[in-house]
Amino acid sequence: EAGVAQSPRYKIIEKRQSVAFWCNPISGHATLYWYQQILGQGPKLLIQFQNNGVVDDSQLPKDRFSAERLKGVDSTLKIQPAKLEDSAVYLCASSFYGGAVNEQFFGPGTRLTVL
Amino acid sequence: KQEVTQIPAALSVPEGENLVLNCSFTDSAIYNLQWFRQDPGKGLTSLLLIQSSQREQTSGRLNASLDKSSGRSTLYIAASQPGDSATYLCAVRKQTGANNLFFGTGTRLTVIP
Repeated sequence: EAGVAQSPRYKIIEKRQSVAFWCNPISGHATLYWYQQILGQGPKLLIQFQNNGVVDDSQLPKDRFSAERLKGVDSTLKIQPAKLEDSAVYLCASSFYGGAVNEQFFGPGTRLTVL
Repeated sequence: KQEVTQIPAALSVPEGENLVLNCSFTDSAIYNLQWFRQDPGKGLTSLLLIQSSQREQTSGRLNASLDKSSGRSTLYIAASQPGDSATYLCAVRKQTGANNLFFGTGTRLTVIP
């Protein structure tokens, strides 16, 4: 079974530029999550999708971050414009559905460096 | 608000030693607790998941315990090996609502050959 795929694996940009990350969840998984992991910290949930609807985006900085999952499969997370403090690893995870019993499976992450 | 703390932040041990990693959480209303391993440049790998009604889970050389009333969990690694070197994260899942995981800051383990 293929795991969660993410691209790119690494990205370096200047502050105020825009960047987009892509995630392809495990086939059949209805729930998709984006986490931000700043160096030395644990991952923090940014947004959770159930199919193509948003379940929780309470910690997403909506003035600069946006995410979509138009067809309920792949998802894109965008930052526009980027700030220095956005430097982090962005992890995508998926689960069969969003109930508490469902284990989340994580992708390898995208490491973003903002200069 | 749920806060998860892991102590120590970093740990170095010689190969073969047994060791314990600690995790504490402030809100005992959890559904389950999960221990993950994170290798540099890679995603998270789930090690053990303990339901709130359970006291411990074992997988090979790993044993995780949960004391929900005191808000504590431990991960015991027996006969440590250099391949165990990684960052270990614990995460708790809320009892209700979305399937959100609240993560600790992790313990970076180095096993010295």
